[in-house]
Amino acid sequence: GESVGLHLPTLSVQEGDNSIINCAYSNSASDYFIWYKQESGKGPQFIIDIRSNMDKRQGQRVTVLLNKTVKHLSLQIAATQPGDSAVYFCAENTGDYKLSFGAGTTVTVRA
Amino acid sequence: DTGVSQNPRHKITKRGQNVTFRCDPISEHNRLYWYRQTLGQGPEFLTYFQNEAQLEKSRLLSDRFSAERPKGSFSTLEIQRTEQGDSAMYLCASSSWRGADTGELFFGEGSRLTVL
Repeated sequence: GESVGLHLPTLSVQEGDNSIINCAYSNSASDYFIWYKQESGKGPQFIIDIRSNMDKRQGQRVTVLLNKTVKHLSLQIAATQPGDSAVYFCAENTGDYKLSFGAGTTVTVRA
Repeated sequence: DTGVSQNPRHKITKRGQNVTFRCDPISEHNRLYWYRQTLGQGPEFLTYFQNEAQLEKSRLLSDRFSAERPKGSFSTLEIQRTEQGDSAMYLCASSSWRGADTGELFFGEGSRLTVL
């Protein structure tokens, strides 16, 4: 079936460097995507979203890029901090926030 | 605390027993969602409500699962005759639906179920 997935299950980043987390999706009709951060023992926390009529959206230290041609989106985190260590999920909104999540990328920030 | 509240946070039960989880959404939110998350995986949609009406149930929600939101505020998720495969984190989320657009989804901390 159509689903959202992530390229790499883990990512190790040096503190202060930029992080890039990738996600591929297969449903070409998808029109809304969201990135979530989940820390151990906690629920997912909204980071940033993007609609299909946009290619790029920026937040505080985060940028989401959407490439509809290859059905790929990425999350860039600038100047990665220890508090950024978590599991990151991309999710596709199939309608009314019935979200389809990928498996997640575990980001570990090295001091 | 004005966030989404879930109880209990942890539940250990024996196979065949019934369990019930409760979710208290953010007070002004009219939509409430249940998701299930197994270890190493992303959350999977189970069901959702608008006020007291259950709008959709996923095929993941077998007949042993039932969810209610009787007064359009808190919700309960009951699992009857639990199986080991039911072991997971059950996440509740809420949002404020405003017609053409759905507001951001806020998740609770989850209720972790372990079936022995």
